[in-house]
Amino acid sequence: AQSVTQLGSHVSVSEGALVLLRCNYSSSVPPYLFWYVQYPNQGLQLLLKYTTGATLVKGINGFEAEFKKSETSFHLTKPSAHMSDAAEYFCAVSDPRGYQKVTFGTGTKLQVIP
Amino acid sequence: DTEVTQTPKHLVMGMTNKKSLKCEQHMGHRAMYWYKQKAKKPPELMFVYSYEKLSINESVPSRFSPECPNSSLLNLHLHALQPEDSALYLCASSLGQGSGTGELFFGEGSRLTVL
Repeated sequence: AQSVTQLGSHVSVSEGALVLLRCNYSSSVPPYLFWYVQYPNQGLQLLLKYTTGATLVKGINGFEAEFKKSETSFHLTKPSAHMSDAAEYFCAVSDPRGYQKVTFGTGTKLQVIP
Repeated sequence: DTEVTQTPKHLVMGMTNKKSLKCEQHMGHRAMYWYKQKAKKPPELMFVYSYEKLSINESVPSRFSPECPNSSLLNLHLHALQPEDSALYLCASSLGQGSGTGELFFGEGSRLTVL
């Protein structure tokens, strides 16, 4: 069984400030990890993913995340928030042995204050 | 631009109506999914088709009936729905079992309102 916990259902940052969205996972095997973004009334779009190899992964729109096995974490960061980053962010995990079933976290709504 | 196309974008139906949601992708993906998303909640998996065969049904009520006519198309037939079925219905695709990483490509969704 696998699960994802996102700490903070709502995060507010000032424009230009660091964005940090937290994600911890639980999995019996080394997982595949994803961050998706959802803008209002739209579908989800992949920001970045970790499968194997380098633990620091870079994604679109200046976001990056680091896989830390010892902490079972996959936190999402961006050095400088932009107004256009305001959206809902979902962390997700899948099992490499049978990854049709993706488990999503409960989501974090990011508000960017001008 | 999304490469998974869903129609219609909005649908309002009564509890006795029969309607269908449609999804199409032309990326050569062999796995297709239906998710249901309520406001302020994550997507909930409903069905997975792998190589045009139903591989996962998350105990969804029979008033939702999926269909995969070919590798590019996925339908969700709706009949005798309840107001609590009102939600955003998301279609997604991925490369398929044994290929890729399970990365999902989502459509923009169909907003369903049941009166």
